Amino acid sequence: QSALTQPASVSGSPGQSITISCTGTSSDVGSYNLVSWYQQHPGKAPKLMIYEVSKRPSGVSNRFSGSKSGNTASLTISGLQAEDEADYYCCSYAGSSLRMFGGGTKLTVL
Amino acid sequence: EVQLVESGGGLVQPGGSLRLSCAASGFTFSSYEMNWVRQAPGKGLEWVSYISSSGSTIYYADSVKGRFTISRDNAKNSLYLQMNSLRAEDTAVYYCARDTDYYSFDYWGQGTLVTVSS
Repeated sequence: QSALTQPASVSGSPGQSITISCTGTSSDVGSYNLVSWYQQHPGKAPKLMIYEVSKRPSGVSNRFSGSKSGNTASLTISGLQAEDEADYYCCSYAGSSLRMFGGGTKLTVL
Repeated sequence: EVQLVESGGGLVQPGGSLRLSCAASGFTFSSYEMNWVRQAPGKGLEWVSYISSSGSTIYYADSVKGRFTISRDNAKNSLYLQMNSLRAEDTAVYYCARDTDYYSFDYWGQGTLVTVSS
C-alpha cells in the first residue's frame, strides 16, 4: 500500500488558477472513478472538497474542480483566494473498501 | 447537525495499548460505514481501518493489521479502535470519518492525539 504521488507544494497569486496532480496506479486511481480531494487548514480536520473525481459537495465553491486522466487525477482551483491557502490531499478507492491517500500538497497564496 | 467526537487519546509506552472512541450524533449511525484515519505530526493523512454499517465487514491498512481492532456499537452510536502493541510510528492524531456511497469521507471528527513514547 504506497501513497499516491502529489507535488509537495504549489503556489499562485490571488485570482490565478492552480492545479494539483495526484498520480496513482492502475490498481487505484486508474481503475476507479472514486477519487476525492480534501482541504486541511492548520490544526483543523480535513474537509471534503471533491468526490467521484469531479463532483462537489453542497456548499463547496465552484472555483474547485476535479478531473482524471489515466492514473492521474487533478484538482484545479480557479480565482485563488487567500482562504484557499491550506494543505490538499487526494484519496482513491483501491478495492475492498481500501483507500490510498496522497502525500499532500501545501498551497501557498502569494 | 452531524457531529463526530473522538476521545481516548493520550501518552502510552511502546508495546502498550489504548482504546479510542468516537461518539456520533446528528445522523442515523447504524446506516453508515465508518473509518479511522490518522495523521502523524507534520505528515500526511493515512487511512487506518474501515467497518461496514453492521460491523460484519472490516478492513485494515497493512501498517496496523494484527495490532488494531475496529468495532462499533450501533445502540450507543459509537465507533471504537482498540490499539495494541503500539509503536513510536503510531504516534498521530486519529480521526474518525463517516463514509459515503462514493468511498469518500464527508464528515470528520476533531481528532484525538495518541503519543507513543517512553
